[in-house]
Amino acid sequence: QVQLVQSGAEVKKPGASVKVSCKASGYTFTSYDINWVRQATGQGLEWMGWMNPNSGNTGYAQKFQGRVTMTRNTSISTAYMELSSLRSEDTAVYYCASSSGSYRGFDYWGQGTLVTVSS
Amino acid sequence: EIVMTQSPATLSVSPGERATLSCRASQSVSSNLAWYQQKPGQAPRLLIYGAATRATGIPARFSGGGSGTEFTLTITSLQSEDFAVYYCQQYNNWPTYTFGQGTKLEIK
Repeated sequence: QVQLVQSGAEVKKPGASVKVSCKASGYTFTSYDINWVRQATGQGLEWMGWMNPNSGNTGYAQKFQGRVTMTRNTSISTAYMELSSLRSEDTAVYYCASSSGSYRGFDYWGQGTLVTVSS
Repeated sequence: EIVMTQSPATLSVSPGERATLSCRASQSVSSNLAWYQQKPGQAPRLLIYGAATRATGIPARFSGGGSGTEFTLTITSLQSEDFAVYYCQQYNNWPTYTFGQGTKLEIK
């Protein structure tokens, strides 16, 4: 079965960077786009961007452009999301999610990674 | 950017009754809309895509409707496990996406 397993919780200081990983299994990693979505405590879902694991092509929400980088290592079926210049407002649970086709929602989700930004 | 607005913010319904949740887009998204359910401490779960197509394993009591700018998610015969937060998501400019702010469905 399809699984997305994310790395563990992180605590970072303001101004630092964080890199979250998302390891895929149960399907061919290069077949499905990987998206990243975050959720601050008690708040809604916020889409951050997408990556095509086959080509490495990416697209980022305007809010995060210049601060987020999405990459992958196809040899270990793992996607990464790095967010830089962290501030307290970036404290949230970060999810990776994939879609099994174009023009549909996100069928599969990781378990989420809590990133806390605090001095 | 397309803005998605959900209403109401909170909906109180009794078990066994019907719930209807709304989602409005700031411009037409055709039928490029999905619905998700999220329970506390869990990742969201895809319910509906293409505005009206149930995702794999989703019970028939969940149905989606609408197109263009107005959409609904209807849940008939509410079960205890259906009380959660529901989000709509548009993907008209795939592969970019926007979520609504969510509707909390609570027990009356």
